[in-house]
Amino acid sequence: DGGITQSPKYLFRKEGQNVTLSCEQNLNHDAMYWYRQDPGQGLRLIYYSQIVNDFQKGDIAEGYSVSREKKESFPLTVTSAQKNPTAFYLCVGQGGTGNTIYFGEGSWLTVV
Amino acid sequence: QKEVEQDPGPLSVPEGAIVSLNCTYSNSAFQYFMWYRQYSRKGPELLMYTYSSGNKEDGRFTAQVDKSSKYISLFIRDSQPSDSATYLCAMSDGNNRLAFGKGNQVVVIP
Repeated sequence: DGGITQSPKYLFRKEGQNVTLSCEQNLNHDAMYWYRQDPGQGLRLIYYSQIVNDFQKGDIAEGYSVSREKKESFPLTVTSAQKNPTAFYLCVGQGGTGNTIYFGEGSWLTVV
Repeated sequence: QKEVEQDPGPLSVPEGAIVSLNCTYSNSAFQYFMWYRQYSRKGPELLMYTYSSGNKEDGRFTAQVDKSSKYISLFIRDSQPSDSATYLCAMSDGNNRLAFGKGNQVVVIP
């Protein structure tokens, strides 16, 4: 199957811990994004990358970090500095005909 | 003014009715327009993609774009309970600038 694969689907984190969410794609997309989705707030951009070894902050980057060492992979680390990390995180790839946007299945992060 | 406006609903319709969803946008650079369906606790799945003004049909779904008015619509004919979901509009300028509506919750009542 092709597409955007996120893991894990559900993750529980203790306060003070860093966690990393995985995002892998086999669509050969150059551009990849991380969004956070909260009820009533829509999608908010955390980080994006248009090319390997380069990435840019989005609107709510504080408390998050990313890397893009390979075209296929764009992991997101939620650090202990993120004050309200409990949310649904979506990885997005963009490319192909008309720069179509594809979403992963999402990762639910809960801080306990 | 937000880049994309989408009425969050919820929108309740009886089974078999036509569902009509809309988004307006302010950035005339947007060229590509998409609609997604999102079930609870799942990632959005692509329903329709279009890049020109006019209508595009795919089964029970019709996507409509009016670039002069900066207005896009999604119509669902013969709605089914399985269509109950949140519908998200999205657009791109072709240069990696993306914008999304907040999503519109639809409930189809059997």
